[in-house]
Amino acid sequence: DQQVKQNSPSLSVQEGRISILNCDYTNSMFDYFLWYKKYPAEGPTFLISISSIKDKNEDGRFTVFLNKSAKHLSLHIVPSQPGDSAVYFCAASASWSNTGKLIFGQGTTLQVKP
Amino acid sequence: DSGVTQTPKHLITATGQRVTLRCSPRSGDLSVYWYQQSLDQGLQFLIQYYNGEERAKGNILERFSAQQFPDLHSELNLSSLELGDSALYFCASSVGVAGGILPNTGELFFGEGSRLTVL
Repeated sequence: DQQVKQNSPSLSVQEGRISILNCDYTNSMFDYFLWYKKYPAEGPTFLISISSIKDKNEDGRFTVFLNKSAKHLSLHIVPSQPGDSAVYFCAASASWSNTGKLIFGQGTTLQVKP
Repeated sequence: DSGVTQTPKHLITATGQRVTLRCSPRSGDLSVYWYQQSLDQGLQFLIQYYNGEERAKGNILERFSAQQFPDLHSELNLSSLELGDSALYFCASSVGVAGGILPNTGELFFGEGSRLTVL
């Protein structure tokens, strides 16, 4: 049972344009969401997060939007840069469980073309 | 550099064998998490330890076991290896319990992974 889904395995955008990565979840108990970026031969690194009490969180070029009713979140990267080319994972947790267990999606490979 | 160290980086072994993967968390981090990433799969949560105690368990096979030692490093033991166990195994750490706003610490810090190949 895949509780966190990233239905687009890959995405290609032109440098300077907007990249939109999507993520859906099924478990209504999730209340904290994170995005991680992964380069080849490296471990995932934290990018941005959002609590369910918010519907938007912004950090520089990165913005995460949360639509609780649709159980959907998205990551917007504006403007996209070639260095953003990586695999992006969304993750979710139930913070009340106090375990820190993050459930990850399958990942979306973003390619930003110069 | 996340500060999380995993060894070995690569490991090739045969079916039926047993291996041990080692993880040293970031200085000061009390929680250690193990994740498995198989080909074209996301990161599958295996197990979490907090200050030496098991805190959460995922879909970890009975052939797999882990522990966290008093110095907070952790080991993941994989036994009776099968071809399907070939994967990247990531260790991650956090100060307290990750995955939420304070008092949870929000994020995990991942190591570079140990790539296991079972032939």
